[in-house]
Amino acid sequence: GQSLEQPSEVTAVEGAIVQINCTYQTSGFYGLSWYQQHDGGAPTFLSYNALDGLEETGRFSSFLSRSDSYGYLLLQELQMKDSASYFCAGPSGNTPLVFGKGTRLSVIA
Amino acid sequence: DVKVTQSSRYLVKRTGEKVFLECVQDMDHENMFWYRQDPGLGLRLIYFSYDVKMKEKGDIPEGYSVSREKKERFSLILESASTNQTSMYLCASRPRDSPYEQYFGPGTRLTVT
Repeated sequence: GQSLEQPSEVTAVEGAIVQINCTYQTSGFYGLSWYQQHDGGAPTFLSYNALDGLEETGRFSSFLSRSDSYGYLLLQELQMKDSASYFCAGPSGNTPLVFGKGTRLSVIA
Repeated sequence: DVKVTQSSRYLVKRTGEKVFLECVQDMDHENMFWYRQDPGLGLRLIYFSYDVKMKEKGDIPEGYSVSREKKERFSLILESASTNQTSMYLCASRPRDSPYEQYFGPGTRLTVT
């Protein structure tokens, strides 16, 4: 089957760096996507990795190792507004994304 | 900007009522999806559609049906609402050639009493 595992909660200090890990069990994922969802809001797309390595978008970076079925989202210079839930998701062609259950990030002062 | 809209942000219905949740996207996307989101359970796929008049069951289709008569509109129907269908319902769309990025609507928080 297809499943993605990520920690349920992470807490980090404002200004620090936090890494949210995602491991997956599947065959056929074409990489990994990441989504952010603030309380009461809709998930919004952050980034994706089609190939192994690091992709950087401003303060956010995402990493993928397909051989290890592992990826992570790295958030730098944390701000209070980064408090949200973060979901990893596995795309496999023209089929629906499979989402992890989400990691709730709390940024504290 | 891609826009996905849902007919209601909040909805309260009684047990046994037939409920329609409407979703419209304005970017000519082929694929559309309905999820429900509950605390601790993440996003669970109810139904999806690859094109007009096409529909596929997701992981939790029981108690739901869908309709896609036009490309831009995907409706979720609760035939006879039950209290265990109280949830946040999220619609999403994406183009056929972009497997990574889905665009979500704002969600409908449905309460069944």
